[in-house]
Amino acid sequence: EPEVTQTPSHQVTQMGQEVILRCVPISNHLYFYWYRQILGQKVEFLVSFYNNEISEKSEIFDDQFSVERPDGSNFTLKIRSTKLEDSAMYFCASRTHRGRDEQFFGPGTRLTVL
Amino acid sequence: GESVGLHLPTLSVQEGDNSIINCAYSNSASDYFIWYKQESGKGPQFIIDIRSNMDKRQGQRVTVLLNKTVKHLSLQIAATQPGDSAVYFCAENKKAGTALIFGKGTTLSVSS
Repeated sequence: EPEVTQTPSHQVTQMGQEVILRCVPISNHLYFYWYRQILGQKVEFLVSFYNNEISEKSEIFDDQFSVERPDGSNFTLKIRSTKLEDSAMYFCASRTHRGRDEQFFGPGTRLTVL
Repeated sequence: GESVGLHLPTLSVQEGDNSIINCAYSNSASDYFIWYKQESGKGPQFIIDIRSNMDKRQGQRVTVLLNKTVKHLSLQIAATQPGDSAVYFCAENKKAGTALIFGKGTTLSVSS
């Protein structure tokens, strides 16, 4: 069964550094999402992306965040200048456009900001 | 604010028992509800969904019930197995495909 994949599984960075989290959504899916989960807390929506543009974003998704679909398979989340509070699991999700509504999640990238 | 939450943070059951996990939501405009299962170190895994025009939907060993009158959502797992041990989240959105709003999660522990 097709799956969403994410790399790396764990990223450690210094505060102030830029990080790029990568996702390969399920092939033929057209809607893409990023969520994050701070340890022990609920999953929070960051941004959704469709047709090469952001369709919805949360208050968390400020100017330090950006998303890109650089080619036909990858979907990336960039954090320009990481803060300690950015430490969390980041999940990518994708959804087809063909009559099914569920969002399929990847395994996540654990980001640790020191 | 508009949010989805769960009544109990933990639930412990014996193998073979039926489990019921509850969730209360506050946004009466929500149209779509989903249950996700999250195992340790993994991403949320879709279990079952239901639209607001339904009150019950069944899957394999799972049933979701929606009571719009009291804004309550529940997940029933029949014959619970040790492999069902995980954190269960309910989530909702106003329209399928838009931002999911997750509840805090219930940790289900199944003992043999």
